[in-house]
Amino acid sequence: QQQVKQSPQSLIVQKGGISIINCAYENTAFDYFPWYQQFPGKGPALLIAIRPDVSEKKEGRFTISFNKSAKQFSLHIMDSQPGDSATYFCAASIPSPIYNQGGKLIFGQGTELSVKP
Amino acid sequence: DGGITQSPKYLFRKEGQNVTLSCEQNLNHDAMYWYRQDPGQGLRLIYYSQIVNDFQKGDIAEGYSVSREKKESFPLTVTSAQKNPTAFYLCASSETSNLPYNEQFFGPGTRLTVL
Repeated sequence: QQQVKQSPQSLIVQKGGISIINCAYENTAFDYFPWYQQFPGKGPALLIAIRPDVSEKKEGRFTISFNKSAKQFSLHIMDSQPGDSATYFCAASIPSPIYNQGGKLIFGQGTELSVKP
Repeated sequence: DGGITQSPKYLFRKEGQNVTLSCEQNLNHDAMYWYRQDPGQGLRLIYYSQIVNDFQKGDIAEGYSVSREKKESFPLTVTSAQKNPTAFYLCASSETSNLPYNEQFFGPGTRLTVL
């Protein structure tokens, strides 16, 4: 019940196209949903995040769409560029039962995005 | 520069040896985390610590140990009991006090290879 399922595993998009990555969860206790971007050999970096009281959040070319009733959320990358080629991870946070604060993140399996010139 | 440093970047270990991976942060964050990343898999939580001198097991703690004697440091020891230790290890930190959510910042990682 603490899993986050991410799809697709890999994605190839032409330059200028829209990249869409989907995630689904079961645990309704999750209260924070970040997306991370990771380049080869580097640590992941926070890209954009959303709380469940918001249905959409946009930052530049990156948009998170959140469907609370369906327990799904997705990342949309508009006008995809070759520099966006990376692995993307969705995640969900569950509050710590000990400290009643932000606890641990549960990560999806990752999507390897390749944007072709 | 504020950030998280991990050392070494590459580490080679012989079977049966214990090795310790370093993680230091100067962000004044309360919480620190260790993840393991294998090809084609997401990040799996090994251990995490939300305050000094306290830590909890994550999903794959067997064969690993940690300590949190200082706020800025959270070293991970990979023991000989870990049967398949070859992986990319990532350390992260977050400021949990007064925040209801968990924004984690990651270090550059250590790639451990068992020979």
